[in-house]
Amino acid sequence: DVKVTQSSRYLVKRTGEKVFLECVQDMDHENMFWYRQDPGLGLRLIYFSYDVKMKEKGDIPEGYSVSREKKERFSLILESASTNQTSMYLCASTLGGSYGYTFGSGTRLTVV
Amino acid sequence: DQQVKQNSPSLSVQEGRISILNCDYTNSMFDYFLWYKKYPAEGPTFLISISSIKDKNEDGRFTVFLNKSAKHLSLHIVPSQPGDSAVYFCAASAWGGSQGNLIFGKGTKLSVKP
Repeated sequence: DVKVTQSSRYLVKRTGEKVFLECVQDMDHENMFWYRQDPGLGLRLIYFSYDVKMKEKGDIPEGYSVSREKKERFSLILESASTNQTSMYLCASTLGGSYGYTFGSGTRLTVV
Repeated sequence: DQQVKQNSPSLSVQEGRISILNCDYTNSMFDYFLWYKKYPAEGPTFLISISSIKDKNEDGRFTVFLNKSAKHLSLHIVPSQPGDSAVYFCAASAWGGSQGNLIFGKGTKLSVKP
């Protein structure tokens, strides 16, 4: 089974801090994604990547950046955390084609 | 503009009865549909999928129906169990398109009452 691991389940950060959310997958998947989930808004795509060093903006990239230096690792960076970035962050990976996504367990980030 | 719509934010069902979760889509290029289930504080897990060449796919208590002419799909859970209480996301993709990203609906929160 594919495993997608997010480094932290819960994080509390202060406004203005730089925050790194790490995601690692163990099945050599090309495609990786970062979403945030908020009540009533569903899953919103922040960034995605189809290959090492590649990144594409999703629907809500403002305030975020990403890094994919190795195939198995996709990092989400909050350059200067703000309270409106308090959310559940979900990482996913897929082989593509007709395969669905495998999600990590999520990181609940609170910015105070 | 939302391409995948789940118009019911919540649904409450009695244990043992049928749960029907609905999903509508607008993009006629979508050719693959999936349902994900999400418990609080966990990531979504894949539940069941259907290709546009089919109109029904069944897996145990879960059945997904696809009506392409109406651009509508539904997930039936029979019989519903309290452990089915979760948020259900409908997702769609056009794999023949550029990269085939999944487009998610906003989710429906199902509560199954004992």
